[in-house]
Amino acid sequence: DSGVTQTPKHLITATGQRVTLRCSPRSGDLSVYWYQQSLDQGLQFLIQYYNGEERAKGNILERFSAQQFPDLHSELNLSSLELGDSALYFCASSSRGGGGAKNIQYFGAGTRLSVL
Amino acid sequence: DQQVKQNSPSLSVQEGRISILNCDYTNSMFDYFLWYKKYPAEGPTFLISISSIKDKNEDGRFTVFLNKSAKHLSLHIVPSQPGDSAVYFCAATGTGANSKLTFGKGITLSVRP
Repeated sequence: DSGVTQTPKHLITATGQRVTLRCSPRSGDLSVYWYQQSLDQGLQFLIQYYNGEERAKGNILERFSAQQFPDLHSELNLSSLELGDSALYFCASSSRGGGGAKNIQYFGAGTRLSVL
Repeated sequence: DQQVKQNSPSLSVQEGRISILNCDYTNSMFDYFLWYKKYPAEGPTFLISISSIKDKNEDGRFTVFLNKSAKHLSLHIVPSQPGDSAVYFCAATGTGANSKLTFGKGITLSVRP
């Protein structure tokens, strides 16, 4: 158990809809990261929050947004969903904000999103 | 542009033999490299890492080798066990405040009993 909790585990919705994915980081971790894994793809970095503030942005679509709350949990909002948004969405947390040896990321089990 | 490449999608080895998983990178700003292991229905778990100032890091049955001039790293598992069957992701990052992890597509390792 990594200590990172993601809910829900599975989500089935229709095109055009909006969903919210939730992540609770490990106790004491200040950074939360969101990744998307589509079929046969590696993990694509979407966005990072550190202690409530956006720290880094990857290939996140404008239809997607995220935030980190004062209790450090994070939510990823996906709107105007398309078939191609079907993927595994992972959340990770780490103690620090940057890269390097002391900032190992610990991953949740993911949310599988199916857009029909 | 894929900055971290795992060109072999799968590898099958016999139990007890060595598994060698390869990874190449293109960004010379990367200076820290990690391997993650992923079982089905679970998130990736950190396995082992190496800094660019080293060429080898060992942890039990797992050893990572880094050839910085060739921009190549490899993960050796000796001896391989059936429980090692999983998807292995190579990842790389810098050390700056805004550094992010860049992952390869992963290699599926199957260890045959």
